[in-house]
Amino acid sequence: SQQGEEDPQALSIQEGENATMNCSYKTSINNLQWYRQNSGRGLVHLILIRSNEREKHSGRLRVTLDTSKKSSSLLITASRAADTASYFCATGLPLGGADGLTFGKGTHLIIQP
Amino acid sequence: ETGVTQTPRHLVMGMTNKKSLKCEQHLGHNAMYWYKQSAKKPLELMFVYSLEERVENNSVPSRFSPECPNSSHLFLHLHTLQPEDSALYLCASSQVRTGWVGYGYTFGSGTRLTVV
Repeated sequence: SQQGEEDPQALSIQEGENATMNCSYKTSINNLQWYRQNSGRGLVHLILIRSNEREKHSGRLRVTLDTSKKSSSLLITASRAADTASYFCATGLPLGGADGLTFGKGTHLIIQP
Repeated sequence: ETGVTQTPRHLVMGMTNKKSLKCEQHLGHNAMYWYKQSAKKPLELMFVYSLEERVENNSVPSRFSPECPNSSHLFLHLHTLQPEDSALYLCASSQVRTGWVGYGYTFGSGTRLTVV
């Protein structure tokens, strides 16, 4: 079943602006991850935040996690044309020692030059 | 290159054909995954292998048959597929350890499958 759901489904902003995407999920999680996918390619892991963390930074990325609201946000600051892609949140559940990640439908981000 | 290589990149097959998708990872990971990505749908987890043992078969039709001969290789054997099976098939790997806390996946570039 679908666990994470991103909002908005699509976002178009000007280069240099900040982009914020949100993710809501339904059940308790151990960690939440964000991925980027360029058109027709594989997904690239951006950042992982564990359930006992509230905020995490990586370069121009800032992720927050609110477990009481079962939501997360991804902020991309000073956006660039190369940031144009689809962004997915994924929640992890243990499966026989492996990770079973469940993904949402994604937010399609377009950065206008 | 991500360290996870999928071949072929594109595949067109008839409904009566038998074909296989291959995934190879050079990262020393011990878990591998198959996902299906269809238009306007979330990624669907199909199969999970941890330490070469299948730990998840997410109600996938039997016309899809996975094989994991060792921790570096994963195959998806296809036979008598339907047009609705046309999709991007993604392979991923991760490293799992005792006391699971969650780790990121490394994905391959995918195989674009078209069933005619």
